[in-house]
Amino acid sequence: NAGVTQTPKFQVLKTGQSMTLQCAQDMNHEYMSWYRQDPGMGLRLIHYSVGAGITDQGEVPNGYNVSRSTTEDFPLRLLSAAPSQTSVYFCATAGTAYGYTFGSGTRLTVV
Amino acid sequence: GNSVTQMEGPVTLSEEAFLTINCTYTATGYPSLFWYVQYPGEGLQLLLKATKADDKGSNKGFEATYRKETTSFHLEKGSVQVSDSAVYFCALRGYGGSQGNLIFGKGTKLSVKP
Repeated sequence: NAGVTQTPKFQVLKTGQSMTLQCAQDMNHEYMSWYRQDPGMGLRLIHYSVGAGITDQGEVPNGYNVSRSTTEDFPLRLLSAAPSQTSVYFCATAGTAYGYTFGSGTRLTVV
Repeated sequence: GNSVTQMEGPVTLSEEAFLTINCTYTATGYPSLFWYVQYPGEGLQLLLKATKADDKGSNKGFEATYRKETTSFHLEKGSVQVSDSAVYFCALRGYGGSQGNLIFGKGTKLSVKP
């Protein structure tokens, strides 16, 4: 069982470039979320989905897009990267109850 | 809305010392409460959970009790080890829709010295 798979693990972008962070789960969970982790800020919710075809904004959605066409996949798109988006990004998934399972993270640097 | 407040770090302890990391929450209804741990360079792992009032979650010598009267979920360990050095996050989760999202505290960095 892979659980939650995030790719890539590391990425360097130039300001203005776009890219997609991939997240896939094999746990058949309804909930999927994207968080960013910054020093002293904890983890902040970017976007989330409660099922295929349903997405909504979290605390810090600006500059990011998501879609959920299947239960398994929940990609996060950076439309035009900015240095403020330098962060570690985590994808997470959960069923209807209890805790989330996290991917191993993507460390993104925007120069 | 729901929120979690945990004690600021960093916390530095000697090996075999007693650990307490305070966590309080604000939430509607009866959320589930969690402690996650993040070791250096790694992702988050679920350490323990409690799903209703007076439940005690425990794992790897760590314990936390869901106290509804004080809206608290403090993490404790009787004797810490160097290998416990990590960042600890308190979190809560409600039920349904946006309430089903996991809300985190800002994390407490623990360093344990030999």
